[in-house]
Amino acid sequence: SAVISQKPSRDICQRGTSLTIQCQVDSQVTMMFWYRQQPGQSLTLIATANQGSEATYESGFVIDKFPISRPNLTFSTLTVSNMSPEDSSIYLCSVTPGQGQPQHFGDGTRLSIL
Amino acid sequence: AQSVAQPEDQVNVAEGNPLTVKCTYSVSGNPYLFWYVQYPNRGLQFLLKYITGDNLVKGSYGFEAEFNKSQTSFHLKKPSALVSDSALYFCAVRDAGGYQKVTFGTGTKLQVIP
Repeated sequence: SAVISQKPSRDICQRGTSLTIQCQVDSQVTMMFWYRQQPGQSLTLIATANQGSEATYESGFVIDKFPISRPNLTFSTLTVSNMSPEDSSIYLCSVTPGQGQPQHFGDGTRLSIL
Repeated sequence: AQSVAQPEDQVNVAEGNPLTVKCTYSVSGNPYLFWYVQYPNRGLQFLLKYITGDNLVKGSYGFEAEFNKSQTSFHLKKPSALVSDSALYFCAVRDAGGYQKVTFGTGTKLQVIP
């Protein structure tokens, strides 16, 4: 199994600012995923990040709003840009250790925008 | 397109009684099925998976799930509920063919009453 560390665990931000969330995995993984979980709702995939290539974004999410970096096989960042109260959510990093294996999740970043 | 349905927003059960959390799925090929649990202020924790083989899958903390292909269901069960089982439970599915993203259900809140 993979152990995932996310930072920060929570933050309160001002409208219009940006926040970068870090995700560190204790083993090398090909694919990393970023999810959003809005209050009381299920998980929505934002994008899939492969090392050495641009992230693949899901419908409704764009790179300008959620830029992602994937500099190596154990690390990724997600930036939430120009934040508004609608961006208040939990952001989760996830990895799949191998084919057919379940996804593992970090504890998430709880983000509140004032 | 693949999908997951968790028809119950909340399930209440008395401590010591058996519990069932329902899940049905739709996928074009063979399914990989997963159950996750989310405790407050935590990410998702993997409980169990069905990839192939026996239809009855045993997982963590005494949970099990039964894969029923004809009914396209993967209900989560436990013979005797504990108060500590109270949490949010997510069913997830992905197509076994090649790499496909995982689709999560909307979640079911399990409340075990002392």
